[in-house]
Amino acid sequence: EVQLVESGGGLVQPGGSLRLSCAASGFTFSSYDMHWVRQATGKGLEWVSGIGTAGDTYYAGSVKGRFTISRENAKNFLYLQMNNLRAGDTAVYYCARGALGFDYWGQGTLVTVSS
Amino acid sequence: QSVLTQPPSASGTPGQRVTISCSGSSSSIGSHTVNWYKQLLRTAPKLLIYNINQRPSGVPDRFSGSKSGTSASLAISGLQSDDEADYYCAVWDDSLNGWVFGGGTKLTVL
Repeated sequence: EVQLVESGGGLVQPGGSLRLSCAASGFTFSSYDMHWVRQATGKGLEWVSGIGTAGDTYYAGSVKGRFTISRENAKNFLYLQMNNLRAGDTAVYYCARGALGFDYWGQGTLVTVSS
Repeated sequence: QSVLTQPPSASGTPGQRVTISCSGSSSSIGSHTVNWYKQLLRTAPKLLIYNINQRPSGVPDRFSGSKSGTSASLAISGLQSDDEADYYCAVWDDSLNGWVFGGGTKLTVL
C-alpha cells in the first residue's frame, strides 16, 4: 500500500526556517517524481515544488529562492527546506507522488508563520 | 488569482449531469494534458481524472474529462450526494515551468 507521511510542520516566526519531511513507503520511491502542494485555510491548492527522478527541481515563483526541495532515495524520504518564511506561507503542506498526475497524497502537515 | 480559471461553484440535483470548466492558455492546457482532483472537507485531494479523460482504478465511469483547445471540462453524471466536494483542475504550464491548479469549484448536491 502506498503511504506518504509528512512531518516537520509547526509554528515559526516570520523570517524563520523549517524543514518538512515526507516518508514514503509501498512503492519504489526512486522511480517517481515527487511534489509538495500547499493549501492555505479557506483557499485552493497551490503547487509549491517538484523533484524528478534525476534530481531535477522545479519551484513555484512564490517560493523560488527561499525553498529547496530534495530527496533521499536510500531512505525513501522527500524534504522541503523552507527559509525566510512569510505569513503568506502559512498552509497545510502535502507531499504527493507524481505519476500521471499527483496520484497519491499524504495527509499534510500544518505550517503556521506568525509572530 | 489562478492561471487556470474555474467557476467557484456548481450545483445539481441527484441523478443530474453537471460539468465543471477549466480555462487556461496555450502554454498550459493548450500544450498538456489536464488532471482533475476531488477534495472532501479539506482532507487530502484524490486524483479523479488524468491525461484528460483517464480514470484511476476505483473511480466510477460517472466521471469523465474532455479538452478542447485551451479549455477542459469535468463531467459528472448520475449525481450523488457524496459527489459534494471541491474539484480542482491542474496542468503543467510551460511559461511558468511548473504545475498550476485552478481555483477550485465547490459542487453542491441540492
